[in-house]
Amino acid sequence: QLQLQESGPGLVKPSETLSLTCAVSGGSITSDNYYWGWIRQPPGKGLEWIATIYYSGSTYYNPSLRNRVTISVDTSKNQFSLKLTSMTAADTAMYYCARQRGWGSWAFDIWGQGTVVTVSS
Amino acid sequence: QSALTQPPSASGSPGQSVTISCTGTNSDVGGYNSVSWYQQHPGKAPKLMIYEVTKRPSGVPDRFSGSKSGNTASLTVSGLQPEDEADYYCTSYAGKNNLVFGGGTKLTV
Repeated sequence: QLQLQESGPGLVKPSETLSLTCAVSGGSITSDNYYWGWIRQPPGKGLEWIATIYYSGSTYYNPSLRNRVTISVDTSKNQFSLKLTSMTAADTAMYYCARQRGWGSWAFDIWGQGTVVTVSS
Repeated sequence: QSALTQPPSASGSPGQSVTISCTGTNSDVGGYNSVSWYQQHPGKAPKLMIYEVTKRPSGVPDRFSGSKSGNTASLTVSGLQPEDEADYYCTSYAGKNNLVFGGGTKLTV
């Protein structure tokens, strides 16, 4: 059974860069037609898509975050990662990684449990 | 402000049906059949309930159904059960490799 597990620092200082990793187990990140993404949810608020990547390296970004975000994949470790620069309090959120089923679908069918990221000095 | 508009709340009694709307534009909901719906219980990760407007992933009860008319997508929950009480979010592909979410609807049973 495919599982995703986020990891990273729970606390980041303002202006610093957030680095998160999503480890995929129970299946291969190189499976055809599956993409991998990051979604976040500020406390008490709704969901926001951040970025998506295919194992080949093709990347797709939320236009509102594009200039601050980098998503990458490491097929040898069966994991993918997120970097978000110039962190502010507005970036405080639960960050989820998820599997996206197919290109045209844009639906996330398997999610990690999420990791809380707080931006504070 | 979310790109897709959902009512903040909805409610129904056990056994009843409730429909949650998700309104966008012809650049997102109206332009593509890539609408999905997620259920989120407090403290839990979202769960995919409907994808590509009407399709149900394996394991999702057939009490959950999706539809679309013009720029508005809808999620209908029939035969409401207490465990259906949760937040529900819609999403849609918005072109140019962009995905947008609705603001979410709190369903009370």
